[in-house]
Amino acid sequence: EAGVAQSPRYKIIEKRQSVAFWCNPISGHATLYWYQQILGQGPKLLIQFQNNGVVDDSQLPKDRFSAERLKGVDSTLKIQPAKLEDSAVYLCASRRTEKITDTQYFGPGTRLTVL
Amino acid sequence: AQSVTQLDSQVPVFEEAPVELRCNYSSSVSVYLFWYVQYPNQGLQLLLKYLSGSTLVKGINGFEAEFNKSQTSFHLRKPSVHISDTAEYFCAVSYNQAGTALIFGKGTTLSVSS
Repeated sequence: EAGVAQSPRYKIIEKRQSVAFWCNPISGHATLYWYQQILGQGPKLLIQFQNNGVVDDSQLPKDRFSAERLKGVDSTLKIQPAKLEDSAVYLCASRRTEKITDTQYFGPGTRLTVL
Repeated sequence: AQSVTQLDSQVPVFEEAPVELRCNYSSSVSVYLFWYVQYPNQGLQLLLKYLSGSTLVKGINGFEAEFNKSQTSFHLRKPSVHISDTAEYFCAVSYNQAGTALIFGKGTTLSVSS
C-alpha cells in the first residue's frame, strides 16, 4: 500500500510570509498527526485529528498555526506569519485507528527554512 | 511531566561490533514503548514496540529491546551492526491506550564505520 505522502518536500521563505503544507495519509487511516521536528530534537506533536475532528491541539501555536482535515482524508497545515524559529521538518503521520496497537506511519516530511 | 531521555546523542561504532542505544522514560502505571529509525531525508520507520507481555521485544533488521520496569528503561540493542544501520534512532513513549500521540526523545545518531 502507498505510504503517507507529503508536499512540498522543501520550502524556503522569508520571515512574516505564509506557507502551507499538505499531507495525504494512508488510505483508510482515521487518525492523523502533525509533528514539528526541530534540528537536534525529536518530533513534537502539533495537532491530532480523528477523522475530521481535532482531538488534541494543545501544543499548536494558534496565533500563527492552523490546520484542517476536510472530509477526514487529506490535511493541510498553515503558518502565517512565519518566524525564524519555525524552521524545522514538519512530519505528518497516520494510524488506522487511535488504538495503541495500530502502528503510526510517518511521511517523509517537509523541511521548512525561514530566512 | 511525561518525558523520554535518550542518554547518548551520538554513538560511533565499527562494523560488526555490538551496539546499545539507551532510553529511559518517566515512570507511569501504563506505558507503551517504541523505537523508530530515521534515515537521511526519510520519514520515521518503526523498528519495534513494547505494548505488553514479554519484556524482550524483537524488531526488524536484527534489533531488539528490553523493557525494564524497575529501571524505567527500554534500551535498544543489536549484536552486530552494518554500515547500513547508520541513521538517527528515536525512542518514544505513549502513556495511553487510545488517542494520545507519541512523546519522543531527542534521538541518538548511530554512525557505523568500516
